[in-house]
Amino acid sequence: AQKVTQAQTEISVVEKEDVTLDCVYETRDTTYYLFWYKQPPSGELVFLIRRNSFDEQNEISGRYSWNFQKSTSSFNFTITASQVVDSAVYFCALSESYTGNQFYFGTGTSLTVIP
Amino acid sequence: DAGVIQSPRHEVTEMGQEVTLRCKPISGHNSLFWYRQTMMRGLELLIYFNNNVPIDDSGMPEDRFSAKMPNASFSTLKIQPSEPRDSAVYFCASSRTDQNLYEQYFGPGTRLTVT
Repeated sequence: AQKVTQAQTEISVVEKEDVTLDCVYETRDTTYYLFWYKQPPSGELVFLIRRNSFDEQNEISGRYSWNFQKSTSSFNFTITASQVVDSAVYFCALSESYTGNQFYFGTGTSLTVIP
Repeated sequence: DAGVIQSPRHEVTEMGQEVTLRCKPISGHNSLFWYRQTMMRGLELLIYFNNNVPIDDSGMPEDRFSAKMPNASFSTLKIQPSEPRDSAVYFCASSRTDQNLYEQYFGPGTRLTVT
């Protein structure tokens, strides 16, 4: 079974629109970590954020915000006022304490921001 | 600080040849990961090391693949003999697991083409 599900394969939005990327995870562990990565067309994988299971505070960084809800096992990512430079593939990942620091990646969501 | 360094960035080789990919993790990081990314299979974890010791190599596709980490600052992934289906982008990533810092930092990747 998939530990991390990103149901949205591709999303297109017009510049300046807000967009939310969904991530649903599955774990039996009580201590775990969630991550988001960005992969722009150039190909590198860029770390965006880490969230610990014991910290459900939402986080905002500029136009980016993350909503972590343990009750629904979700860790969603919202980009406000999207820009063309946000066009990329975004990956959500899970790390569980009992399996060490191995990551389980989702299949990614390809975001295209149309000017 | 320098990020994860991978070499070569591009490799084109003929079927049957030996290929060696190299990785230098971020200084001070104690975990190292090798991933493969293709359109069909997405991001796959091949093997990872903690403190230079291989922990999980269950993702290594077959005996043609081998990985070593002789010291904390260097790792290799070798394919011998290479086959066209090995064509992919290979990423190396590193992380430090003390202080509960588990995010992985990725290198730029090696694009391997086997003809």
